[in-house]
Amino acid sequence: GAGVSQSPSNKVTEKGKDVELRCDPISGHTALYWYRQRLGQGLEFLIYFQGNSAPDKSGLPSDRFSAERTGESVSTLTIQRTQQEDSAVYLCASSLRGPPETQYFGPGTRLLVL
Amino acid sequence: QKEVEQDPGPLSVPEGAIVSLNCTYSNSAFQYFMWYRQYSRKGPELLMYTYSSGNKEDGRFTAQVDKSSKYISLFIRDSQPSDSATYLCAVRGSGGSNYKLTFGKGTLLTVNP
Repeated sequence: GAGVSQSPSNKVTEKGKDVELRCDPISGHTALYWYRQRLGQGLEFLIYFQGNSAPDKSGLPSDRFSAERTGESVSTLTIQRTQQEDSAVYLCASSLRGPPETQYFGPGTRLLVL
Repeated sequence: QKEVEQDPGPLSVPEGAIVSLNCTYSNSAFQYFMWYRQYSRKGPELLMYTYSSGNKEDGRFTAQVDKSSKYISLFIRDSQPSDSATYLCAVRGSGGSNYKLTFGKGTLLTVNP
């Protein structure tokens, strides 16, 4: 079956604009994660969704970042008023259930804020 | 001190060499240890997964965890050009927020034919 997909694969935007990133998890996976990978840095946890439970948003770096998930399907990560330091690869992962299930990653969205 | 330290390399080896990749971590509460491989412009893929201390072998890959020294290693035997990628170590606890993976920065490996 299909893996985790993300769109767009690349996004260039101007400072101050809003961007929306999309993640389609593997069908049937109840858990969904967003990570950020800045150049030369490890992956940083952003947010975790598990079924209908309240998401863990503790990794979101500022209130300009928000994420939603519709049921156990698509998730969107929104960054408002983008800043140059938001430039990074945004990775989405899903797992069949919560931990310790293996997380399967998508290819990422490369965001460049000019 | 960062929770997970990993030498970013880059590391360049000839084909057939034994490769040793390492990470150290600071929090003794971490119980799960993983190695991910990330090819250029791709998402990470899970390579090895170990719970607590010990060794785990899968083909040419061996993962080692030494909890007493908070040190994790990945060995690649008979390295191949197709092994050229960035290798990321990751750790996770076993408590309430155990879904959060903490990653090292990754080591860029090039295996030259």
